[in-house]
This record gives sequence, structure tokens and C-alpha cells, in this order.
Amino acid sequence: SSELTQDPAVSVALGQTVRITCQGDSLRSYYASWYQQKPGQAPVLVIYGKNNRPSGIPDRFSGSSSGNTASLTITGAQAEDEADYYCNSRDSSGNHQGVVFGGGTKLTVL
Amino acid sequence: QVQLQESGPGLVKPSGTLSLTCAVSGGSISSSNWWSWVRQPPGKGLEWIGEIYHSGSTNYNPSLKSRVTISVDKSKNQFSLKLSSVTAADTAVYYCARLLSSMAVAGTYWFDPWGQGTLVTVSS
Repeated sequence: SSELTQDPAVSVALGQTVRITCQGDSLRSYYASWYQQKPGQAPVLVIYGKNNRPSGIPDRFSGSSSGNTASLTITGAQAEDEADYYCNSRDSSGNHQGVVFGGGTKLTVL
Repeated sequence: QVQLQESGPGLVKPSGTLSLTCAVSGGSISSSNWWSWVRQPPGKGLEWIGEIYHSGSTNYNPSLKSRVTISVDKSKNQFSLKLSSVTAADTAVYYCARLLSSMAVAGTYWFDPWGQGTLVTVSS
């Protein structure tokens, strides 16, 4: 099966813009979706598809993709955005169909 | 809206079988979606375990495939996970989640909603 690679940790100054990336072969065929997870809580969907936000997700969150790389951008990061972020995608490599997650990126808002 | 709730023993003995159920409310498990199990060991990332369609078709993570069985009970609107021959490495928070897909844009999949998660500890 495929793998998705994320930077383990990223930091951003309050109010600045940060990009979290996710790389993997499955992203050439499938869009990534992105999840925010705070300590002790279940993951929450923040971006899916080309650049879709579920209701209730602030518009400072956006997504993009190119080739084998997907990106989550937070424009004007807030203190409450400090969390772990995971990407995932469908995976259909070889005869296997399933789902793959990135290792997660810990975002620190300074 | 659809809500998911995991249930099952919080403690399993080594070499035993972990069994969890995910109850679906606010919608039908027979809708055109895949239903998944995802786990997260303490302090680590998310790992996809496997998925089931209401027809009974399944896909599993190759690394766990030999030990995993996912089943569906349409009469109870729920699906279940069994993981055999467990060790301490299987200690994790286990989540169930619905995998949605876009009819309009190919290649678009996402998990929503997620259950709240249940901690399963493997220990004697």
C-alpha cells in the first residue's frame, strides 16, 4: 500500500500564514482530506476534496494539490488552531483498495 | 445528522480477541458509504484498520489483514471489529468513522463523522 508523508512539526506566529504539506503517490489519483485533532478529542474534518470546507470550519482553512503533494493552508493562524493535523486519501495501489493516513503534523502557534 | 458510537471492553488480555461495535444513529448503514475502523496508539498517529460496505464487502490494512474481521449487522444498524491475537502494541484508542465520497468529483473521499473513540488496553 501507499504512504503519505508529513513534516512532524511546524510552527507559526499568531496571525501569520502556515502551510502543512502531505506527499504520496496516492495523491496523484485521489484528493487528500485533512483533519484537526486536539488532545483527548476525535479528529475533526477541516478540508476535503479540491478545496471544500465543512460547515463550521473557518474560512482561514484552505486546501490545494499539485501532482503528488497536497497542502493545507491556514491564513491568519489563531491560538485555537494549535493541534495535530492529519492528511489522508483513498489508496488503490496494486490489487489493494483502502485508505492511508499521513503521520501527522503538530502545529504550534507562537 | 449521522452519529457514531463505539462500544466494547476496555481491557483485553494478550493473545485474546479485541471486539468492538459501532452503532450508527441518525442514518442508515445501508447508505452508499464505506464504514471504517481507525486506531491511534497513545501518543502516535492515526492508522486505518479496515472498512466494510453494507453489502458485506471489506477492505483491510495489509499489515493487519491476517488478524482483522469487520462485519455489518443491518438489522441493528451497526458494524463491528474483531482483532485477534492481540499484544500490547494493539493498545490504542479505536475510532469508527464513515467514509463519504463525492458523486460530482472523482477521487474525492473523506471521513465524517467520527465516533468519540474508545480506549482499548491490552494487558494481563
